[in-house]
Amino acid sequence: EVQLVESGGTLVKPGESLRVSCAASGFTFRNTWMTWVRQAPGKGLEWVGRIKSRKDGETRNYAAPAIGRFTISRDDSRNMVYLQMNSLRTEDTALYYCATGGPEGSYLDHWGQGTLVIVSS
Amino acid sequence: DIVMTQSPDSLAVSLGERATINCKSSQTVFFNSKNKNSLAWYQQKPGQPPKLLIYWASTRESGVPDRFSGSGSGTDFILTISSLQAEDVAVYYCQQYYDTPFTFGPGTKVDIK
Repeated sequence: EVQLVESGGTLVKPGESLRVSCAASGFTFRNTWMTWVRQAPGKGLEWVGRIKSRKDGETRNYAAPAIGRFTISRDDSRNMVYLQMNSLRTEDTALYYCATGGPEGSYLDHWGQGTLVIVSS
Repeated sequence: DIVMTQSPDSLAVSLGERATINCKSSQTVFFNSKNKNSLAWYQQKPGQPPKLLIYWASTRESGVPDRFSGSGSGTDFILTISSLQAEDVAVYYCQQYYDTPFTFGPGTKVDIK
């Protein structure tokens, strides 16, 4: 059974940094492209970015709000994917989901329950 | 970036009646090399993560009831719930995965009339 468990969400102040994590199990993690999606309270879904597998170059793609501030990384030895967030803004307040699924991280058929990041002074 | 729009923002349908949700992309999401449209539909209920319903615009995910169907091509897509059930009350999102960033539509809320 595929399981994705996010952790690390907390309350931080604007300008601070935070790393959230996602522990994966139940599938061949090293071959799988992983995605982060976020959802602000009461709002819609926003694709944050994805990381390819090592064999596909571990290339990362990001949405505009994440470029230059967020970094996705992975540790295949631990079946973990991370989202490092720097220079956090109040508008980054959201539930952060990790997800995976179709080929090349396309459609997303497995999601975690999310971890809540609150950015507030 | 490809912009996804959905209509209506919300709709209320009687139990057993048809619900139709429209999704439009700002440019084609048809992948010539795959002969497929890179379009997915998700259902999200309160307090839950999204659930994949449809991918490649019309392929139903395993375990999804056959009252859910997807259609369309190019830039215009439709999610149809043929006979609305109480458990279908949710927000529905379309998503393109043709080009990064893989953008979502703003969502359509479906309620019971």
